[in-house]
Amino acid sequence: DQQVKQNSPSLSVQEGRISILNCDYTNSMFDYFLWYKKYPAEGPTFLISISSIKDKNEDGRFTVFLNKSAKHLSLHIVPSQPGDSAVYFCAASPPMNRDDKIIFGKGTRLHILP
Amino acid sequence: DTGVSQDPRHKITKRGQNVTFRCDPISEHNRLYWYRQTLGQGPEFLTYFQNEAQLEKSRLLSDRFSAERPKGSFSTLEIQRTEQGDSAMYLCASSSERSYTIYFGEGSWLTVV
Repeated sequence: DQQVKQNSPSLSVQEGRISILNCDYTNSMFDYFLWYKKYPAEGPTFLISISSIKDKNEDGRFTVFLNKSAKHLSLHIVPSQPGDSAVYFCAASPPMNRDDKIIFGKGTRLHILP
Repeated sequence: DTGVSQDPRHKITKRGQNVTFRCDPISEHNRLYWYRQTLGQGPEFLTYFQNEAQLEKSRLLSDRFSAERPKGSFSTLEIQRTEQGDSAMYLCASSSERSYTIYFGEGSWLTVV
């Protein structure tokens, strides 16, 4: 049973435009959400995160939005740049006082077109 | 560089051989995780340690897999009698006990031929 779902395997966006990557989750116990970026043959790199008590977190060109009632989050990248071409993983974490692990989605491959 | 370090980066082995991967976490992190990633999938949890204690193991971790973290610092992941289905990227990550964020190493690619 997939608890974190990224339903778009790939996305192509023109350079300079906005990239929107979506993620849905099923477990209402998740307390914290993270986005990671991965280039081929490298490990995932932490990008941005959001606590369940917030609905938006912004860091430079990256903004994550959380809609708890819909169990949905999205990552906005604006403006998109060629170096943003990578696989993006959405991840969800249970509360810190529980000995449990972070669950990852299958990823969305983002292609930034020139 | 004080990030998570993994060794070796690449390993090609014949089916039936044993392989061992090493992970050195970020020095002040007491939690250490092993994940596995195959093509088209996200990282899949294998096991995790808090200090030297192994607190959880996934069902993915068959009895051919064993992980240790003897002194609460570096960790090893050993795969015995490798099978072709073990071919994957093995990712190590670490975190502080007070942080949700885990930081990954560059991964160890395993190819079983």
